[in-house]
Amino acid sequence: SAVISQKPSRDICQRGTSLTIQCQVDSQVTMMFWYRQQPGQSLTLIATANQGSEATYESGFVIDKFPISRPNLTFSTLTVSNMSPEDSSIYLCSVDDRGFFTDTQYFGPGTRLTVL
Amino acid sequence: SQQGEEDPQALSIQEGENATMNCSYKTSINNLQWYRQNSGRGLVHLILIRSNEREKHSGRLRVTLDTSKKSSSLLITASRAADTASYFCATDNGANNLFFGTGTRLTVIP
Repeated sequence: SAVISQKPSRDICQRGTSLTIQCQVDSQVTMMFWYRQQPGQSLTLIATANQGSEATYESGFVIDKFPISRPNLTFSTLTVSNMSPEDSSIYLCSVDDRGFFTDTQYFGPGTRLTVL
Repeated sequence: SQQGEEDPQALSIQEGENATMNCSYKTSINNLQWYRQNSGRGLVHLILIRSNEREKHSGRLRVTLDTSKKSSSLLITASRAADTASYFCATDNGANNLFFGTGTRLTVIP
C-alpha cells in the first residue's frame, strides 16, 4: 500500500490568483494522477504525471491552466492557475498499485479549494 | 467498512458478448459511481446513479441500483476489445468521501 499526503489540506483564494498543491508519497511510484471532485459530482481525472516526461492531460484540461511538475518518483505538484469560482473543488492526487488480480488506487486526503 | 466489493474479480468474454459486473456495499449512500481504468491510466468516470434512481443508461452501459440489497450492477452490452480494463464501483456517502471497491478485471477477447 502507499501513504499519500497533500498540502495544503484546504485554502480559500481570491479570483485571479494561483495555488500550488503538493503531493508526497511514502514510496517510489511511476504514475501519479490528479483528480478534481466538484461539489456533488464524480471524480474527474485531470492528468497523469509520469516522472521524467510531460504530464498527459484529459479532454477539457490544459497545461496552461493546470501545470504539473513531477521532479522525482515520490513527489508531484499541481498548480491551479488564474483561479475562478468554478475552480472551487476538492483536488486529489493518487497513485496506482498494480497487483496481479486488481488495480488499486490510493488517494491522498485531498485539498479543498474555495475560490471567492 | 463502507468499501464496495465487486464480483467477479476477473471476467473473460468474447467480443460481442455482454459483460455484467456486480458491486455490493454496506452503508447508506448518496450515490454510486462506476469507473474504468485502462492499463497504465487513471480512473475514468463512466456513470453515476443516485440513491433514488433504480436504473440508468449511457450508450452501451446499463447500471442498476438496489438500495434495499445494497447492490449495483454494471452491464456492458456488445462488448469490444477496447472495453478491456478494470472496472470499479465507488460509493459516495454525501460527505465528499468516495469509497472504492477492489475492482473487476474485464478481458474482452477479439
